[in-house]
Amino acid sequence: KAGVTQTPRYLIKTRGQQVTLSCSPISGHRSVSWYQQTPGQGLQFLFEYFSETQRNKGNFPGRFSGRQFSNSRSEMNVSTLELGDSALYLCASSLASGGPETQYFGPGTRLLVL
Amino acid sequence: AQTVTQSQPEMSVQEAETVTLSCTYDTSESDYYLFWYKQPPSRQMILVIRQEAYKQQNATENRFSVNFQKAAKSFSLKISDSQLGDAAMYFCAYRSKNTGNQFYFGTGTSLTVIP
Repeated sequence: KAGVTQTPRYLIKTRGQQVTLSCSPISGHRSVSWYQQTPGQGLQFLFEYFSETQRNKGNFPGRFSGRQFSNSRSEMNVSTLELGDSALYLCASSLASGGPETQYFGPGTRLLVL
Repeated sequence: AQTVTQSQPEMSVQEAETVTLSCTYDTSESDYYLFWYKQPPSRQMILVIRQEAYKQQNATENRFSVNFQKAAKSFSLKISDSQLGDAAMYFCAYRSKNTGNQFYFGTGTSLTVIP
């Protein structure tokens, strides 16, 4: 099976712009979670989608939003970009939500905001 | 909210030796999952080992084992016969059984393996 894929892998944007990141989970996986990884804050949970519904949301401003499609692919959108949004954005997929199943991470999208 | 603490930002080990990475966590829940993930430089995060809190037996995966002390809220990772490929950032993570797939991660321990 193909692993979790994320596109694009690298992105450069300027302050005030918006960006959309994409995550394709492993085939058959219905849960997709998003994390922001920065040197200062570490790995922080953004949100989780399961069967097209947002299941959990972390402590991020409303500029961060997401959605999940019927094929389980997920997108994350950040509007009005700020310098502090520069980070590695990781998504992780699993078969179900909340059970013992392993979550598999993608390679990440590295976003640089200038 | 749950917190996970990794008190060792950096560790080093000689090839073929054993190293233990520390992790403590804070929770009021009685049943949960604990994980160790490995993130090699510029590569994606992969699961090393997983422990379910209700299981008293420590999990083992080949050269990797954990020492799970539930009362002390401690979850350390032991790597035996260290190999050069073990060099990576290691993250300890907590996951509740009540909040879906939300992980709480520690700040990570950077492991260097010395040939």
